[in-house]
Amino acid sequence: DAKTTQPPSMDCAEGRAANLPCNHSTISGNEYVYWYRQIHSQGPQYIIHGLKNNETNEMASLIITEDRKSSTLILPHATLRDTAVYYCIVRALLGIQGAQKLVFGQGTRLTINP
Amino acid sequence: NAGVTQTPKFQVLKTGQSMTLQCAQDMNHEYMSWYRQDPGMGLRLIHYSVGAGITDQGEVPNGYNVSRSTTEDFPLRLLSAAPSQTSVYFCASSRGAGGSADTQYFGPGTRLTVL
Repeated sequence: DAKTTQPPSMDCAEGRAANLPCNHSTISGNEYVYWYRQIHSQGPQYIIHGLKNNETNEMASLIITEDRKSSTLILPHATLRDTAVYYCIVRALLGIQGAQKLVFGQGTRLTINP
Repeated sequence: NAGVTQTPKFQVLKTGQSMTLQCAQDMNHEYMSWYRQDPGMGLRLIHYSVGAGITDQGEVPNGYNVSRSTTEDFPLRLLSAAPSQTSVYFCASSRGAGGSADTQYFGPGTRLTVL
């Protein structure tokens, strides 16, 4: 399974863009990069995912380098409600019928400051 | 849709007791999983299922059993609770494999304490 490396914590001012980096140098060609976040002790919440191309949705943008060894999650206008632990995850296939396993690391604790 | 629901929200057990954590989803998802999260840690996969009648072990299966008799329900059984099983348990489901079908939706969690 490909592993990911994220900074343990980051701070960002409210209203500014939050850029969260992730290294996944051992990622293989068919593995997606997923981002989830966990607010306080709630269940993880899906944010975005991508394979090669940059992706954007209503929550965030995902920038993946050309060699796919790293990616950046961008929250364009961070609010106080974006304070959470953000997990960068490389999806790995399991044995049975392609079921996926999400390998969670420690994540980045993002604090949005007023 | 209610999404993924879990019961109970909180549970305290004594060592050696057994119990079942319930998980249900109303999205007609084929894939369901159970994770545990220990303090300050990421989630670890316990068991997963790719459809009714099909289950397999994840990273930390010891001490837990699962079954999947319907698409909607995926209960997790603790056979003989131990203090090491004190954790927060999350259930998740996804539509299938490939592309956006992989997106997993998580329940609110069950906080279990074993004394």
